[in-house]
Amino acid sequence: DTAVSQTPKYLVTQMGNDKSIKCEQNLGHDTMYWYKQDSKKFLKIMFSYNNKELIINETVPNRFSPKSPDKAHLNLHINSLELGDSAVYFCASSQDLPGGYNEQFFGPGTRLTVL
Amino acid sequence: AQSVAQPEDQVNVAEGNPLTVKCTYSVSGNPYLFWYVQYPNRGLQFLLKYITGDNLVKGSYGFEAEFNKSQTSFHLKKPSALVSDSALYFCAVRALTDSWGKFQFGAGTQVVVTP
Repeated sequence: DTAVSQTPKYLVTQMGNDKSIKCEQNLGHDTMYWYKQDSKKFLKIMFSYNNKELIINETVPNRFSPKSPDKAHLNLHINSLELGDSAVYFCASSQDLPGGYNEQFFGPGTRLTVL
Repeated sequence: AQSVAQPEDQVNVAEGNPLTVKCTYSVSGNPYLFWYVQYPNRGLQFLLKYITGDNLVKGSYGFEAEFNKSQTSFHLKKPSALVSDSALYFCAVRALTDSWGKFQFGAGTQVVVTP
């Protein structure tokens, strides 16, 4: 069974469109994350949720809106897509506490290409 | 502010030779340190972490890392590299000072192991 899954794996769309990426984890973790990996493989955190509550919100355009319907799911909706949004988006999860040290488990990634 | 530096974009090593991937960090307070590996078109996989205690940490696939507080380093090592170790390696740090401290990832080091 896949621990952290993302759909879709590939997403090709036109500028200006709105799209969503879904993430699910079956590890029973209480914290989930979205990361963006750019073309140079640099990894940057975007958001983190703990038990459905937003705990980390980095400097991300407000066109990006995460939603966590329950602690096993964290979706990412992107409005008005721009060329610069092209990247690989990774979902991750961990069992976390404030000041915690547990490692994260990553999904396979969603490669978004904006034309 | 916390930061992680991986000074080498790429490390080349012959199969059977020792492999070292360097990482230095900067945090306020005590750090939690992690190593992850990313194979092509895959998500990151956890290798090992340092929390406290013994400075030499052993992890998956024969990898180990040494925490050096005075040099603020956490270098990843493997005594005898395999061709299958060719991948992108990320060092990450989390500071203990924040309530919900985020993981800060390094820029990654590409390891190429030649037969």
